[in-house]
Amino acid sequence: GDSVTQTEGPVTVSESESLIINCTYSATSIAYPNLFWYVRYPGEGLQLLLKVITAGQKGSSRGFEATYNKETTSFHLQKASVQESDSAVYYCALGGSAGNKLTFGIGTRVLVRP
Amino acid sequence: GPKVLQIPSHQIIDMGQMVTLNCDPVSNHLYFYWYKQILGQQMEFLVNFYNGKVMEKSKLFKDQFSVERPDGSYFTLKIQPTALEDSAVYFCASSLARTGGNERLFFGHGTKLSVL
Repeated sequence: GDSVTQTEGPVTVSESESLIINCTYSATSIAYPNLFWYVRYPGEGLQLLLKVITAGQKGSSRGFEATYNKETTSFHLQKASVQESDSAVYYCALGGSAGNKLTFGIGTRVLVRP
Repeated sequence: GPKVLQIPSHQIIDMGQMVTLNCDPVSNHLYFYWYKQILGQQMEFLVNFYNGKVMEKSKLFKDQFSVERPDGSYFTLKIQPTALEDSAVYFCASSLARTGGNERLFFGHGTKLSVL
């Protein structure tokens, strides 16, 4: 079946440092997978951070970037300089079925120290 | 932004009882979903629902599970009877469309179900 593997947390970084959360995927049931990063901030529901539906393309939002790499089946999330408000749980997800079914990674908790 | 509301936030019931989890999706959305997350594990797809029908379900969607959205009211997940392994956080989501699998889903905060 389809699966997503991502960096295990918690990941602790200091404000203004860089952050990378690794994500690799295996899509056995989807010919052209779509890739997503969702985020859950403290006290809020899960929300879309960014998505990329074409291999080779890069998505970006709120200073975060992720490139859809079909060769390495990866979709790593990066930010050059984090802020305390980036403290959250980040989920990599795989989609692309007609029914919008998403396969999630386990989530990576990120703690940004002031 | 658009909100999906889930009621209650926590439900405790005895094994064998029936439970109904309620979800108030984004008002103009047409597609609805339930996901299940057991503590320490990934969030997993249960079912999606459109136009009064289940479109797709996973193997986690047991015969004891059912979903409905009568007359545009709450989108509900009913478990009857409950089992210990049903203890989890259940997340409801909705989307406006189903455009080839890249649609943005809006999620609720989740309902934590504890089966004793």
